[in-house]
Amino acid sequence: RKEVEQDPGPFNVPEGATVAFNCTYSNSASQSFFWYRQDCRKEPKLLMSVYSSGNEDGRFTAQLNRASQYISLLIRDSKLSDSATYLCVVRLNDYKLSFGAGTTVTVRA
Amino acid sequence: DAGVIQSPRHEVTEMGQEVTLRCKPISGHDYLFWYRQTMMRGLELLIYFNNNVPIDDSGMPEDRFSAKMPNASFSTLKIQPSEPRDSAVYFCASRMGQGRTGELFFGEGSRLTVL
Repeated sequence: RKEVEQDPGPFNVPEGATVAFNCTYSNSASQSFFWYRQDCRKEPKLLMSVYSSGNEDGRFTAQLNRASQYISLLIRDSKLSDSATYLCVVRLNDYKLSFGAGTTVTVRA
Repeated sequence: DAGVIQSPRHEVTEMGQEVTLRCKPISGHDYLFWYRQTMMRGLELLIYFNNNVPIDDSGMPEDRFSAKMPNASFSTLKIQPSEPRDSAVYFCASRMGQGRTGELFFGEGSRLTVL
């Protein structure tokens, strides 16, 4: 079983729509959680950390459910520039991050 | 500020040839990571260094792969001999210190094609 699993999508949504997707992780001892964004043929970049109480960063909302071992990301009022692959990332210990394969989001005009 | 710098950006080589990928981490970062990304397997950690010392190389696929970090500002990943299944994007990433932060700073990657 993979350490982090994501629905690959793609999620095709019109501008202004809300899109949400989850990822699940297998190791209940996982310590921290993050969403990274990767544009086509570019490197991954940190989008936001995910805190136990849930957190927002502008139009992006992240939630963590430790009991069910899943993390979610919601994008409100989606923009064309939100088109990317979103990588769910779980920190297993002080150095090791485990990356999901990514969920592709395409926002159309 | 300069980010993580990788070279070459693209390399096309023939099976059996030696490939050397290079990385310059962000100055002051004491952790350096080599990742490989493919469509089938996503991002996989190959090896990481702390203060130039290899700490965990359990992700290195086989003996054909080796990595070095002779000083704080330079690391190499070598594949010898290369095989078509090594075709992937190889990312170098760095970060400062231990702790709870998940922010790795990635280079732009080296896209390797082995024919």
